[in-house]
Amino acid sequence: AQRVTQPEKLLSVFKGAPVELKCNYSYSGSPELFWYVQYSRQRLQLLLRHISRESIKGFTADLNKGETSFHLKKPFAQEEDSAMYYCALSGHRRNQGGKLIFGQGTELSVKP
Amino acid sequence: EAGVAQSPRYKIIEKRQSVAFWCNPISGHATLYWYQQILGQGPKLLIQFQNNGVVDDSQLPKDRFSAERLKGVDSTLKIQPAKLEDSAVYLCASSLNRGTNEKLFFGSGTQLSVL
Repeated sequence: AQRVTQPEKLLSVFKGAPVELKCNYSYSGSPELFWYVQYSRQRLQLLLRHISRESIKGFTADLNKGETSFHLKKPFAQEEDSAMYYCALSGHRRNQGGKLIFGQGTELSVKP
Repeated sequence: EAGVAQSPRYKIIEKRQSVAFWCNPISGHATLYWYQQILGQGPKLLIQFQNNGVVDDSQLPKDRFSAERLKGVDSTLKIQPAKLEDSAVYLCASSLNRGTNEKLFFGSGTQLSVL
């Protein structure tokens, strides 16, 4: 079964502290992994995708196929990073292109 | 660019009533999605359209939910009759194509409360 698990509902850190939002997935094959973010009163939007190997707003995420994980990291958290973060996967199976399966989400709170 | 437009923003109805949501995707986007997001959970795909054809509706409760995208542009999602457990935010999203790596653009959502 395809599943995305984000074990933490809420993660609270102080400004300047490192952040790691955990994401584990279950998928038989090679999925595409994404992180989406929703800031207060804004729309859900793409933060980054594993295939791009990019750093967006200081965030990076590495796909670990052995551990089936795609944790989101940032070395120094900023107050403006406070938001809801969703890990998602997309499968390669027929007719599943673009179909995103989301985790439950982790609320990140960065305190001053 | 103009984003995905959804209306209404909020809707309150009583159980067993009917309700409809509207979505206008980004111009030129072939793929349109409807997601249901229950409080405290991540979005769950209800239905995916490619132009005006249904690609995936495996998680759509077809006894009460229906959706259409007649001209391959805007779309409506209907619930008839509504149940208490349908209270959720209904998100519409669109993407340029149907690839596995496509970036989805989301609308602001319609928050439905069923009393």
